[in-house]
Amino acid sequence: KAGVTQTPRYLIKTRGQQVTLSCSPISGHRSVSWYQQTPGQGLQFLFEYFSETQRNKGNFPGRFSGRQFSNSRSEMNVSTLELGDSALYLCASSLRGEGNEKLFFGSGTQLSVL
Amino acid sequence: QQQVKQSPQSLIVQKGGISIINCAYENTAFDYFPWYQQFPGKGPALLIAIRPDVSEKKEGRFTISFNKSAKQFSLHIMDSQPGDSATYFCAASMLKWNSGGSNYKLTFGKGTLLTVNP
Repeated sequence: KAGVTQTPRYLIKTRGQQVTLSCSPISGHRSVSWYQQTPGQGLQFLFEYFSETQRNKGNFPGRFSGRQFSNSRSEMNVSTLELGDSALYLCASSLRGEGNEKLFFGSGTQLSVL
Repeated sequence: QQQVKQSPQSLIVQKGGISIINCAYENTAFDYFPWYQQFPGKGPALLIAIRPDVSEKKEGRFTISFNKSAKQFSLHIMDSQPGDSATYFCAASMLKWNSGGSNYKLTFGKGTLLTVNP
């Protein structure tokens, strides 16, 4: 069974640009979560989607958005990029997004904002 | 507000030794406490998890100890091996669902870089 796939693996953007990251969950998983990982702040929750609906959102500005498609694939978008948005963006999937389920993480997209 | 505090930031242990990583949480509504292991270039992977109704859970060389009254939990790695060298994250979440939405999100500690010397 294929794991969580994130594309692209690396991205370099400049301030003010926007970026879209993609995540394909494990087959059959309907919940997709996104996390931002930085050396200073560690792993921080961005949002969680289930059946194309955003169910939970972390404390990030509105420049961060996401969506989920009917096949459970998800994208996240960051508009008007800032230097501080440089981070590893991780996607994780689970069957139903229930609290004690095992989360499966992808290897992430490393975003560098210059 | 950092809801899960993890220590130490880094840890060096000799092969065969015991690695101990500690976490403390503030939100008493948390009722699920997983530990994740992350190798360079990879996403975190679930190692072991505990619910607050037990004080200890053991899986192989990995043990979680949980102290509900102190709001603390720790990971013990027995007989540490060089292959255990990685970053370890504690986390917490709530299992209870709110109507109209999910509480399903993990609040992570900032991580501990473990190095096990051969």
